[in-house]
Formats: sequence, C-alpha cells, structure tokens
Amino acid sequence: GAVVSQHPSRVICKSGTSVKIECRSLDFQATTMFWYRQFPKQSLMLMATSNEGSKATYEQGVEKDKFLINHASLTLSTLTVTSAHPEDSSFYICSAIAETPPYEQYFGPGTRLTVT
Amino acid sequence: GESVGLHLPTLSVQEGDNSIINCAYSNSASDYFIWYKQESGKGPQFIIDIRSNMDKRQGQRVTVLLNKTVKHLSLQIAATQPGDSAVYFCAEILSPDSSYKLIFGSGTRLLVRP
Repeated sequence: GAVVSQHPSRVICKSGTSVKIECRSLDFQATTMFWYRQFPKQSLMLMATSNEGSKATYEQGVEKDKFLINHASLTLSTLTVTSAHPEDSSFYICSAIAETPPYEQYFGPGTRLTVT
Repeated sequence: GESVGLHLPTLSVQEGDNSIINCAYSNSASDYFIWYKQESGKGPQFIIDIRSNMDKRQGQRVTVLLNKTVKHLSLQIAATQPGDSAVYFCAEILSPDSSYKLIFGSGTRLLVRP
C-alpha cells in the first residue's frame, strides 16, 4: 500500500530554536497534505492543510507564523516550528491524499518533538 | 483545532470477547466516516470506512454501524485479540466550501486482557 514517511521520527531541541519536519509520500503524488498535532492521551488535532504550489490553510487558533508549512512538490511537505517553546512539545503527524481513486488518506508515522 | 482534547476513556475486554467502541460525531453534514487504530508512538492506521448513505459495513472481524439520527458511530471487533490493544479514533470528513478536512473524534483506548 501507499506509504507516507516523516523525518525525523524524534527530535529534541532547545527553547528558541527552529525545527523542520519533513513529510513525504513515497510512491504516490499528493496535491494535498495535512498536519496534525497530538498531545499525550488526546486526539489528533488538525493544524493546517498543505496545498502544493499555494499557501497552507491554517485551522483557527494555529499561528501560521509559528508553524511554517511549505509544500514545494507533489511528494514533500515540510512543517517548521519556529522559536520553539516547551509547550510546542508534541507528536506531529502528517497525512497525504492520493490523487488517484479511491483518494485514500495515508498517515505518516509521526514525529515526536521535545523542546527543552 | 476542532477535535476534542479530552483524556481517553478506556475499554477493557477479555481476549476472545467482542468489543464495541462508540463515537459521537459533530456535523450532520458529514458524509464519510472512518475508524482508525493508533498504536503507541505510531500514526493512525485505517480500519474501515462507511458512507452516510449506509448504516452498516462489515470488514474482517470488524463492523461499523452508523446512526445518522443521533449522529453516532460504533466499531465492533469480533473475537478481540491482544494485538487489537490500541487507541481507536473515529473521524469524519468535512467538506466545507469544496475543501476537505478529516476531523478526529476523542478516541477510546482498548485494553485486551489475556
């Protein structure tokens, strides 16, 4: 089946630094990718919709200047957490929609971000 | 975000028994629903889906029931196995203004006792 990868799987960074997370669709093209955040013992919260070749659409309450999204190709979207703080520590998960039927949404394995 | 940030309820079942996990969704206009399984430290894994024009769909050991009247979804797992232990989320597809969003419910942790 279709595979979505994320890199890195785990990252620890110091407060105030920026961290980039990559999301790749390995064997299919994805015009649309999504970024979710998941805190411990909670559900996935949609942060933004990443559209290839255009600006991302952010959900209410998500700061676009803090969570920079770049979808430069049909197989890659990146999420950059700028000036990270401990409260940004979370599990970040991306997903991608295949462009061909049945247009399923595939999830990446997630990235665990810890800000110290 | 749109998902509910509550701590996960837990369902504990004996191995071999059937499990029923329930979910209430929010938008009566949603026309597509999916159940996902998430193991610790991993991304969600697709289990089964159902469209709003159906009220039941069966897969291998799993059945999804949809009650649109009360906006309720359930996942039934037959002969639950230890490998079924995970967190289960229902998700609904919202398509406002021709866009597409997959919104997750609050989730249930399933623990299978040997």
